[in-house]
Amino acid sequence: EAQVTQNPRYLITVTGKKLTVTCSQNMNHEYMSWYRQDPGLGLRQIYYSMNVEVTDKGDVPEGYKVSRKEKRNFPLILESPSPNQTSLYFCASSLFPVSNQPQHFGDGTRLSIL
Amino acid sequence: AQSVTQLDSQVPVFEEAPVELRCNYSSSVSVYLFWYVQYPNQGLQLLLKYLSGSTLVKGINGFEAEFNKSQTSFHLRKPSVHISDTAEYFCAVSDGSGGSNYKLTFGKGTLLTVNP
Repeated sequence: EAQVTQNPRYLITVTGKKLTVTCSQNMNHEYMSWYRQDPGLGLRQIYYSMNVEVTDKGDVPEGYKVSRKEKRNFPLILESPSPNQTSLYFCASSLFPVSNQPQHFGDGTRLSIL
Repeated sequence: AQSVTQLDSQVPVFEEAPVELRCNYSSSVSVYLFWYVQYPNQGLQLLLKYLSGSTLVKGINGFEAEFNKSQTSFHLRKPSVHISDTAEYFCAVSDGSGGSNYKLTFGKGTLLTVNP
């Protein structure tokens, strides 16, 4: 089954403790992206990747890091999480990095930073 | 820069009633338009998309949307809703000019609640 898989689905942690949210897709998609969803703000893009070893900042990259060492994986790293990063996070992918491609979304990761 | 405005944050309707969820966009170039749906505790899934051609676009689950270039709108409609349509709906826009801007910009979402 074609899918985007995120782990963990839920995480409660404390300020300053490094964490990684994994994202994996099995569709051989070139383009991958991370979003955060906050009430009343919709989805905002954090980082995106056009292909292996090619990443760039989205609208809200502060406090986050990403890497794309393999085509299928695009982890999101919070080196020193803070409470304002408490949010619902989505990973998404599309076949090509062109603007007419619909994106496929994971089921989300709900992070709570205390 | 492109932007999306979803005019209603919440839309309550009764089952079997028609519904329209409104979306307006702003862009200096031509656009591609999308509607995504998010059911509780799930990710977003594509409802429908407008890339070119006919301005009336049909999607899954009986939804349709009409692209109106002069009014810069892409409203979503369904003639008769079901309880199972209760979800949050997001309108999104991307650059259709063929340039190197691949960004997908989302609206803030409209929560559709269908009551019995």
